[in-house]
Amino acid sequence: EADIYQTPRYLVIGTGKKITLECSQTMGHDKMYWYQQDPGMELHLIHYSYGVNSTEKGDLSSESTVSRIRTEHFPLTLESARPSHTSQYLCASSASGTDTQYFGPGTRLTVL
Amino acid sequence: EDQVTQSPEALRLQEGESSSLNCSYTVSGLRGLFWYRQDPGKGPEFLFTLYSAGEEKEKERLKATLTKKESFLHITAPKPEDSATYLCAVQAADTGGFKTIFGAGTRLFVKA
Repeated sequence: EADIYQTPRYLVIGTGKKITLECSQTMGHDKMYWYQQDPGMELHLIHYSYGVNSTEKGDLSSESTVSRIRTEHFPLTLESARPSHTSQYLCASSASGTDTQYFGPGTRLTVL
Repeated sequence: EDQVTQSPEALRLQEGESSSLNCSYTVSGLRGLFWYRQDPGKGPEFLFTLYSAGEEKEKERLKATLTKKESFLHITAPKPEDSATYLCAVQAADTGGFKTIFGAGTRLFVKA
C-alpha cells in the first residue's frame, strides 16, 4: 500500500493568485514526480526530483516551480495562476533501484 | 520519438465477458512497461511491471503480456468493479527511469 498524500484535493482560485500544491510520502522514496493530466488525456511529466536539493523540469513546459528540502516533501508552486493552469496535478514517488511509481490522489485545480 | 498508443479508447462489456486491451509502443530501448488502473477523480493505482518480451504477470482477473511492440491486458470474466480507466506507460532505457510516457488509457465499462 502506497502512502503518498496530496493537499488540497480540490482548489478553485482566481487569476493571479499564488498557490502551492502539497505532496508528501512516508515511504522514504528518493525519487518524486509531478504530472499534469487533463480529462481523458495522457499524464505529462512537469517536474521530477532525484533526492533532496535535486530537481529537474520534465518534458511538458510548465510555469510552476518545485522544491525538495526534505525527502518526504515535494511541493509545487504557481506564482501567478492563470485559467490555462486548470488541470489535475498528480504527485508520485518511487524507490531507488525500482521504476514503479506510486501516485497520490491528485489535486484538481480550477483557475477562474 | 517514443510513443504509447492504447486501443480501444473505450470498451463496454457485460459482466463475465472476457476481453483484451491493447498497448502499442515505440521506444528507443525498453526499460519497463507499466499498467495502471485509474478510477475517476483518483490517482493511478499500480498493477504490473513487465520488462522483457514473453513476460506475463497475473493478478486476480487481470493478466498482462508483453511482446517487442505491444502489451495486452487480458480481463477474464470481468465484474462491474473492474470498471475504470486502464493506463499503459513505458520507460526508455536511456532515461535513468525518469522519463515515463503514458498512453491516453482505455476506459472500461462493465455492466452487471
